[in-house]
Amino acid sequence: GAVVSQHPSRVICKSGTSVKIECRSLDFQATTMFWYRQFPKQSLMLMATSNEGSKATYEQGVEKDKFLINHASLTLSTLTVTSAHPEDSSFYICSAQTGRLGETQYFGPGTRLLVL
Amino acid sequence: DAKTTQPNSMESNEEEPVHLPCNHSTISGTDYIHWYRQLPSQGPEYVIHGLTSNVNNRMASLAIAEDRKSSTLILHRATLRDAAVYYCILRYSGGSNYKLTFGKGTLLTVNP
Repeated sequence: GAVVSQHPSRVICKSGTSVKIECRSLDFQATTMFWYRQFPKQSLMLMATSNEGSKATYEQGVEKDKFLINHASLTLSTLTVTSAHPEDSSFYICSAQTGRLGETQYFGPGTRLLVL
Repeated sequence: DAKTTQPNSMESNEEEPVHLPCNHSTISGTDYIHWYRQLPSQGPEYVIHGLTSNVNNRMASLAIAEDRKSSTLILHRATLRDAAVYYCILRYSGGSNYKLTFGKGTLLTVNP
């Protein structure tokens, strides 16, 4: 099956610093990637949709200048949390899809971010 | 996206079948029914999806009501590794918008 990886799996940073999270589709080309955020005991919330080579589309209430998304290739998307604050601490999950594999999204293992 | 309703939690015994229900009374003709599950501290995992006919794969079966207003995910023999949150999601199949909207899902507990 299709495999999606994320790096790092967990990160701890100081308040005010920026953190970059990578999402890679390992064995398929992903024309579209999605970024989700999940707080403890809650469901996944979609943050943004990114298509290769174009600007990401952010969901309502998600600050695009704070959560920078780059989808420069068909196998890599990055999410940068800029000037992170403790309230940004969360579980960040990416997913990827390709029309060639149907309408299924394949999810990464997630990145646990803790901002001190 | 059309909304789905699932029980908050269900319990099962190991090696017994599990039927996880999902109501989606406002489903449209172009909505696929997707099921994902999420184990603790992991990303969601695709389980199965269907449109109108019942579907089977190595993980589970999906039974879709004739009016499509409800569906049931069937795990034929539950194992401890099946303990997870199961999400039933309707996904619009038209255009280029394939985003998924996650509800609260059903927390499945499997007893040994």
